[in-house]
Amino acid sequence: DIQMTQSPSSLSASVGDRVTITCRASQSITNYLNWYQQKPGKAPKLLIYAASTLQRGVPSRFSGSGSGTDFTLTISSLQPEDFATYYCQQSYITPLTFGGGTKVEIK
Amino acid sequence: EVQLVESGGGLVQPGGSLRLSCAASGFTFSSYWIHWVRQAPGKGLVWVSRINIDGSTTTYADSVKGRFTISRDNAKNTVYLQMNSLRAEDTAVYYCARGDLYYYDSANYWGQGTLVTVSS
Repeated sequence: DIQMTQSPSSLSASVGDRVTITCRASQSITNYLNWYQQKPGKAPKLLIYAASTLQRGVPSRFSGSGSGTDFTLTISSLQPEDFATYYCQQSYITPLTFGGGTKVEIK
Repeated sequence: EVQLVESGGGLVQPGGSLRLSCAASGFTFSSYWIHWVRQAPGKGLVWVSRINIDGSTTTYADSVKGRFTISRDNAKNTVYLQMNSLRAEDTAVYYCARGDLYYYDSANYWGQGTLVTVSS
C-alpha cells in the first residue's frame, strides 16, 4: 500500500497568514493527489484534485502543487472559515490512502 | 442539487451484520463511481470500498475484504454496503461519496455519514 505522510500534524496560524501543508507519498503517484477539508462533525469537502486543479466553487486562495512523491497545499491568506483539518489522498492505485491529517487552528 | 444520504447505521454486536444504504439524487447516478469512506471517532479518514458505474467492478480495503460487499441498484439510485462479521474496529462514521466524472477516485460530493457502533 502507498503510505501518505502529512506534515505538520497541526499548526496554529492567524487570519491573513500564508499556510503551507505538505504531503509525501511512499512511492511516485504522478499527479494522482487530492486534498480535502473537513470541519468538526461534517463530511470532507474536495478542494483540489489531480494535484493542482481547483474543485469548482473552492476559493482561489487555495492552491496545490507537486508531482511524483512530494505535494503541497497552500492557503495564501487564511480566513476564519479555513480553520479545519486537511487531508491528502492518493488516487493512483487502490487501496486509496489518506494522509493522517493536518489540523489548522487559530493562533 | 447533488445529494447523497446514508442510512442503516446503528448499534450491532460483534459478529453481527448491517446493511448501509446511500441514496443519491440530483445527478445521473448511473454515470458515476461511488465510494465508501469511514472515520473512527477522533481519527482520520480511511477508504473502504468503491464500485464502478454498472456494478461490474468492485474494490475493497484489505481490512474489510471478504466481510463487506458493495453493490448498487441504478434503478433506485442507491448504493449498498453489506457489512458482515463486524468487529469493534469497524466502529466509525461511514460516508458515501461520488467520484468525479473523469477522475473517478476523487470524491467531489459526500453524504453526511451514518454511525456504525460495534459493541456488546
